[in-house]
This record gives sequence, structure tokens and C-alpha cells, in this order.
Amino acid sequence: EAGVTQSPTHLIKTRGQQATLRCSPISGHTSVYWYQQALGLGLQFLLWYDEGEERNRGNFPPRFSGRQFPNYSSELNVNALELEDSALYLCASSLGGPSSGNTIYFGEGSWLTVV
Amino acid sequence: GDSVTQMEGPVTLSEEAFLTINCTYTATGYPSLFWYVQYPGEGLQLLLKATKADDKGSNKGFEATYRKETTSFHLEKGSVQVSDSAVYFCALRTFGNEKLTFGTGTRLTIIP
Repeated sequence: EAGVTQSPTHLIKTRGQQATLRCSPISGHTSVYWYQQALGLGLQFLLWYDEGEERNRGNFPPRFSGRQFPNYSSELNVNALELEDSALYLCASSLGGPSSGNTIYFGEGSWLTVV
Repeated sequence: GDSVTQMEGPVTLSEEAFLTINCTYTATGYPSLFWYVQYPGEGLQLLLKATKADDKGSNKGFEATYRKETTSFHLEKGSVQVSDSAVYFCALRTFGNEKLTFGTGTRLTIIP
């Protein structure tokens, strides 16, 4: 069974441009999470989607946005790119529903470099 | 709010040494606890988890016990290998707050 898949693996953009990252969750998972892993800053929670709705959002500016499609895949959009947006963006998925015990599975990540 | 405090790294050990990586937490609810591992150039992989007090998670020779009285979930391994070199993240998740809250990560290097 396929795990969480992300694309592209690497992306280089210039400052001010927009980046779009895509994620396909594990089959049957309805919750999708996005995390940013910037150098030296650990893993920062960005967004959580479940059943097509945004359920929670981390402490990021509005130029970070996303959506979840009817097939539960998701995309993350980052507008007006800044140099400090350079990071590994990790997507994760889990079974939906209010359970703290459901395991969250991560993809390999998308490396975004802003020059 | 929820938070996780991990042992500062980096940690360097010789092969076959005993490993402990400390992790303590504060949580607004009753959390589930996780250890994730990130090998060089890769995403995160779940290493082990525990969902209630006194549970012991184990995998690949690693163990961690959910200690509610000390709010801790320390990771241990009796004999580390070079292949265990990675960054280890402690994390928690509480009912009603479905995201994972991570510690800062501990970089582990095992030398032959």
C-alpha cells in the first residue's frame, strides 16, 4: 500500500513568486496535515484538513494557504515567497475523527528553496 | 498549551553503547505520545507510540514508557548501531487537538 506521497521533491522559486506543493494521503485517510521544517527551527505545524475543511491553522501568515480536494489529496500554496520560506515541507495523513491515538504518517517532503 | 521538551543534541555515541534521549511534556488534555525518526535526507517515520499511562512502546530495539507521574517519555536503546544515526523527535497529540506537537529534535550520531 502506498504511503503519503508528495510532489515535487524539490522546487526552486524566486522571491515574490508563488509555490504550490501537492500531497496524496494514504488510502482511507481523511485527515491531512502540513508542517514546515526550516533549518534550525524544528517542525512547525502549518495546517490541518479533514473531510475537505480546514480544521486548524498554525501561527503562519495568510500567504500560506491550502485546500483539500474531494479525493482527500491536498495542496499547499505559498504566495509572495520570502527567503525565509526556504524549508522542507512535510505532509502527513491519518484516519479522521477525534482520536489522539491515530497514528500520523509522514511523506518524504518537498524541499522549497527561495532565491 | 501543549509543549514537548527534548534533550539538547547533538549526541554522539560509540556503537553498542546505551542510549537515552530524554523527553518531557506538558499537555492540556490526556495525550498520546510518539517518537519519530528522521534519517538523513528523508521524511519522518514513526518509531513507536504509547497512548495511555504506563504503556511501553517498542520497535527496532528502541523502547519508551509513558510516565504520567513524571510527564516523561524517554527513549532508550540498549545497544545502538551506526544505522541508528538520525534525528529523533518526541511528539504528543491530545484529544480534540489533532495536530502533533513536536520537540526540537535530537541529532544522534553513532561512530563505529
